[in-house]
Amino acid sequence: SQQGEEDPQALSIQEGENATMNCSYKTSINNLQWYRQNSGRGLVHLILIRSNEREKHSGRLRVTLDTSKKSSSLLITASRAADTASYFCATLARGADGLTFGKGTHLIIQP
Amino acid sequence: DGGITQSPKYLFRKEGQNVTLSCEQNLNHDAMYWYRQDPGQGLRLIYYSQIVNDFQKGDIAEGYSVSREKKESFPLTVTSAQKNPTAFYLCASSILGNQETQYFGPGTRLLVL
Repeated sequence: SQQGEEDPQALSIQEGENATMNCSYKTSINNLQWYRQNSGRGLVHLILIRSNEREKHSGRLRVTLDTSKKSSSLLITASRAADTASYFCATLARGADGLTFGKGTHLIIQP
Repeated sequence: DGGITQSPKYLFRKEGQNVTLSCEQNLNHDAMYWYRQDPGQGLRLIYYSQIVNDFQKGDIAEGYSVSREKKESFPLTVTSAQKNPTAFYLCASSILGNQETQYFGPGTRLLVL
């Protein structure tokens, strides 16, 4: 079953603007991750945030986690055309053996 | 795409045929996974293996089979019992006990003729 649900499904912004994507999940988790997928390619791991963390940074990426609301957000600052891709959140539920992915947000950066 | 290769990139299957998708990794990872991705959807877990000669069903294992005879290889067979096989198939691997960080192959797109 799909645990993570990203919002919005699609997002189009101008280059240089910030892009924010949200993810909601249903069960208790050990951690939450964000992956990126270019069209027709495999997924690339971007960042992981653990359930006891509230915010994490990696370069132009900023991830927040609110376990009380069971939600996370991914912020990409100063977007570039090369950031155009689909972004997925994935959760590892407690006691689970595998990741559960959401349906993704398709991000388009207009040059 | 890390040290994981999938072949072929595109695969065509006739109705009633079994086809096998290859996944090889040179990362020395114990755990390997197969996911299915449909258009506009996230990934769904088909099968996973944490050790050689052992594997477990994921959320959508019906119509699929796997084997894990070698640590480096985790082939997926899409059988004729899978009624809707057209999809993008992704293989991944991870360090055992660290399944939260998975490394993905480039994927195989399967099309039914």
